[in-house]
Amino acid sequence: DSGVTQTPKHLITATGQRVTLRCSPRSGDLSVYWYQQSLDQGLQFLIQYYNGEERAKGNILERFSAQQFPDLHSELNLSSLELGDSALYFCASSVGLGAGRVGEQFFGPGTRLTVL
Amino acid sequence: ILNVEQSPQSLHVQEGDSTNFTCSFPSSNFYALHWYRWETAKSPEALFVMTLNGDEKKKGRISATLNTKEGYSYLYIKGSQPEDSATYLCARISNFGNEKLTFGTGTRLTIIP
Repeated sequence: DSGVTQTPKHLITATGQRVTLRCSPRSGDLSVYWYQQSLDQGLQFLIQYYNGEERAKGNILERFSAQQFPDLHSELNLSSLELGDSALYFCASSVGLGAGRVGEQFFGPGTRLTVL
Repeated sequence: ILNVEQSPQSLHVQEGDSTNFTCSFPSSNFYALHWYRWETAKSPEALFVMTLNGDEKKKGRISATLNTKEGYSYLYIKGSQPEDSATYLCARISNFGNEKLTFGTGTRLTIIP
C-alpha cells in the first residue's frame, strides 16, 4: 500500500459526459501528479500540482482540468468525454520540491475509466 | 535520442537465470532517472532513483547502473524468481523544478518456472 488513495476504482460513463477523479496523497507529500495510461501506450504525464499550485503540464487535453485543494487532495476533471478517453488514470505523490530533491513518486491504485 | 526508450519490449527468462535490460534517454538536461516495477493489476512501485553519472544502486537481487554522459541505464536481476515477473519502467526527470517524469514504455519480464 503506497499511502496514495484514489476514488473511484472504476467508472463507466457515456460519451459527452463529465467525471471527476479524486486523489489523496500520502501524508506529508506536497506534490501530486496525474498520469494517463491508454491501451498500447506507456504512462503519459498529464499535470503536476505542488502545494496547491499548478507546477507542470504535460499532454493534457483542454477538456481536462485539475486542481489541488488546501488539504492537498487533488481532483482531475474530464469533460465532453470521448471513447478515446477510456484509460487507467493514476495519481502519484511525492515529498515535493526542494534543493536536490528528486524523490520517488508513490502511485495510487488508479481509476479505470470506460467511456461507452 | 529524443525520448525515453526501453529494450527489449518483452523478455522471457528461466527461473534462476540472471537478466538485464536497458533504458536509453536524452543525455542533455538530465536531472534524475527513476526505475519502477509494475505488477499486473497493481500500481507502479519505485525501485531506484538515480542522479549521478556512475551511480550504482542495489536492492536485494536487483541492481541498476547509470551513465548520464551517454544516456543509458541498465537494470540487472540476478537469479530470477517467479515474483520478479512484472513490467519494469524507467522514467527521466529533465528539469529541476517540476519533477515531471517522462516514462519509457517498459520491459515486460516473464519468469518461466
